[in-house]
Amino acid sequence: DIQMTQSPSSLSASVGDRVTITCQANHDINNYLNWYQQKPGRAPELLIYDASKLQTGVPLRFSGSGSGTHFTFTISSLQPEDFATYYCQHYDYLPYSFGPGTKVEI
Amino acid sequence: EVQLVESGGGLVQPGKSLRLSCATSGFRFHDHAMHWVRQAPGKGLEWVSGINWNGNTEGYADSVKGRFTISRDNDKRFLYLQMSSLGGDDTALYFCARDRTSWLGALDIWGHGTMVTVSS
Repeated sequence: DIQMTQSPSSLSASVGDRVTITCQANHDINNYLNWYQQKPGRAPELLIYDASKLQTGVPLRFSGSGSGTHFTFTISSLQPEDFATYYCQHYDYLPYSFGPGTKVEI
Repeated sequence: EVQLVESGGGLVQPGKSLRLSCATSGFRFHDHAMHWVRQAPGKGLEWVSGINWNGNTEGYADSVKGRFTISRDNDKRFLYLQMSSLGGDDTALYFCARDRTSWLGALDIWGHGTMVTVSS
């Protein structure tokens, strides 16, 4: 099974900051990598799919890159509504797995 | 409006069974694979199970394999998760999620979840 790791596990940032989260897979997953945002008490929301494609309706300040085993998620200018936990998830084959999450805090 | 509404959660004793349901609306259900994802209190997301568009292919996390069964009724537009031999580690909020594709894609629509608590 594929194991996903994320770093950092948490970070403190301010409005307007550029934020970068990394995700690594222990096997080559091509570009079969998604990024989700989850706010407390809410269901996750898909932000990025296929490693770099922006889901419809998601602001352009969110972006993703990478392929193979190393991936990056970036928020170009952090907004107040972006404080949340972010998860990567592979879908190369079953079982899917999520990274442990990165909590973005003020 | 695309909607997923889970039901069937509750308090259940260890070793017992429970069936979760996910009612869907607002999209062509039979065009999409569907999944269950769970989240234990204060923990991260764990993919549980997925089923392709016509129900012919399914998959499970190792933690639930042999105990949980996923199924779907395309006529009724429902997704199900039959859970048996439940234990404390199964206590979680269970989300139903739509796959962007007919099989192996991103989870683009999520329900609000139904809580399962396993306790005596």
